[in-house]
Amino acid sequence: DIQMTQSPSSLSASVGDRVTITCRASDDISSYLSWYQQIPGKAPKLLIYAAASLESGVPSRFSGSASGTDFTLTISSLQPEDFATYYCQQTYSTRETFGQGTKVEIK
Amino acid sequence: EVQLVESGGGLVQPGGSLRLSCAASGFSFSRYGMNWVRQAPGKGLDWLGYISSSSSIIYYADSVEGRFTISRDDAKNSLSLQMNSLRDEDTAMYYCARGKMGDGYGMDVWGQGTTVTVSS
Repeated sequence: DIQMTQSPSSLSASVGDRVTITCRASDDISSYLSWYQQIPGKAPKLLIYAAASLESGVPSRFSGSASGTDFTLTISSLQPEDFATYYCQQTYSTRETFGQGTKVEIK
Repeated sequence: EVQLVESGGGLVQPGGSLRLSCAASGFSFSRYGMNWVRQAPGKGLDWLGYISSSSSIIYYADSVEGRFTISRDDAKNSLSLQMNSLRDEDTAMYYCARGKMGDGYGMDVWGQGTTVTVSS
């Protein structure tokens, strides 16, 4: 199976900060990469698909990029409602896999 | 309103079986591939499997292949997950999720989840 490694596992940031989360695939996945946000007690929410496409209704402060097998989720200016756990997911192989998650906490 | 509602969760003994259901509404269910994803308490997301529209393609994660079966009934706008030979480590919140239209575009609609507890 393709392994997805996220970093960092957690981070502390302040409102207004620029936040970057990285996801590395163990093999080539082209652009078959999605990002999700999960608030405690809630279902995940799709933010980014195809590595860099913003899901409808998601604020433009969220963006995704790719370089080879490295993928990045960037929040340009962190808002109070963005404190959550973020997951990447590869949809390239027939056995899809998630990263282990990155928890974004308030500093 | 586009909605997915899971049901069927509960407490089951190790080795037992359980069938989860996911009721879809507000969209043309038959046109979409569907997924099951679970999340153990305090842990990350774990993709379990996918069924295409028309049920022509079904994929499973290694951890559940041979024990779990995904099916759908387009006439009833319903998705199912039959879980057999349950283990303690299958304890989790189980979500159904709609595959976003397009090749490998992730999951754009999620249910609220149903809880499965495997314990003696």
